Parts: sequence; structure tokens; C-alpha cells
Amino acid sequence: DAGVTQSPTHLIKTRGQQVTLRCSPISGHKSVSWYQQVLGQGPQFIFQYYEKEERGRGNFPDRFSARQFPNYSSELNVNALLLGDSALYLCASSPRDNAHGYTFGSGTRLTVV
Amino acid sequence: AQSVTQLGSHVSVSEGALVLLRCNYSSSVPPYLFWYVQYPNQGLQLLLKYTTGATLVKGINGFEAEFKKSETSFHLTKPSAHMSDAAEYFCAVSAMDTGRRALTFGSGTRLQVQP
Repeated sequence: DAGVTQSPTHLIKTRGQQVTLRCSPISGHKSVSWYQQVLGQGPQFIFQYYEKEERGRGNFPDRFSARQFPNYSSELNVNALLLGDSALYLCASSPRDNAHGYTFGSGTRLTVV
Repeated sequence: AQSVTQLGSHVSVSEGALVLLRCNYSSSVPPYLFWYVQYPNQGLQLLLKYTTGATLVKGINGFEAEFKKSETSFHLTKPSAHMSDAAEYFCAVSAMDTGRRALTFGSGTRLQVQP
């Protein structure tokens, strides 16, 4: 079975641009969560979606948004990119509306120049 | 709110030696606790988790951790280190104030294994 897949794997953007990151969960998993991992730090929670509804939001500015589609895949959008948005963005899927059965993808490495 | 403190950003052990990675948590409600491992350029892999029940939890690759409520700790151990254990390790907590929907991670401990 395929694991959690994220695309693209690497991305370089310019300050002020917008970016969309994509995530496909494990088949049967209805929950998708997004985390930001800045180099040298632990991941920080951005969003959690379950059954296409936002169920949790971390302490990130409104420039960050996400959605979940009927097939449970998800997109993370970041507008007006800042240098500080450079990070590894991790997607995790879970079969239930909690963080206990997470399977993480390999992430998207975003570099803002 | 909950938080996690991992003592020691870098730990170095010899191959075959005991591995001990320290994690202390702060939570106003009973926590669920996790250890994840991250290899270079990869995502996170769950090693083990504590939710309820037995406080000594066994995980994959010979790792185990013990939940000690009185010490607010959840230290990770492995009796004998292997070269393949070299990686970054993260302790995490989920708590009811997030509906257990999110994990709060520590800053990580990089484990080096010397031959």
C-alpha cells in the first residue's frame, strides 16, 4: 500500500509569492494534518482536517490556509511568502479524528529566497 | 497548554552501549506521549506511544520508554545501540486541550553512534 505522498518534494520560491503544497493520505484515512519543521527544530502544528472540515489550527498567520477534498487529499497554501517560511512541510494522515495514528509523509522542502 | 523538553540536543554513544534519550513533559491533563524518529531527508516514523495502561511501552527496533507521572518524564531507552540508530529523535505530547488532534513536539535529540 502507498504511504502518505507529498508533492512536490522540493520547491524554491521568491519572497512575496504564493505556494501550494499537496498531500495524499493513506487509503482509508480521513484525517490530514500539516506541520512545519524549521531546520533544527521540532515540527509545529499548522492545521488538522477531518472529513473535509477544519478541526484544529495552530498558531500560524492567516497567510496559511488549507483544505481537504472529497477524496481526503489536502492542499496547504501559503501566501505572501517570507524568508522565515523556509522549512520542511510535513503532512500526516490518520484514520480517526486524532493524532494517535499518524503516518507522516516525507515532506516538501520549501526554500524562500 | 502542553509542552515537551528534550534534554540534550546531541547524544553520542558507542555501538553496543545503552541509549538514553530524555523527555520531560508539561500537561494540565493526562497526556498521551510519543517518540518519533527522523532519518535525513525523511518524514517522521513512530517508535512507540503511551496512551493508557501499562507505563512501560515497547516499540520498534528494540526501543522502549517508561511513563513516570511523578517525574513528568517519558525517557526513551535501548539496551544496545546499533549504527543504524543514528538519527534525530523527537518526543511529543497530545493533550485534551487540542482534542488530542495535534502533537506538540520537543526540539529533538540527534543521536550519534560511534563504531
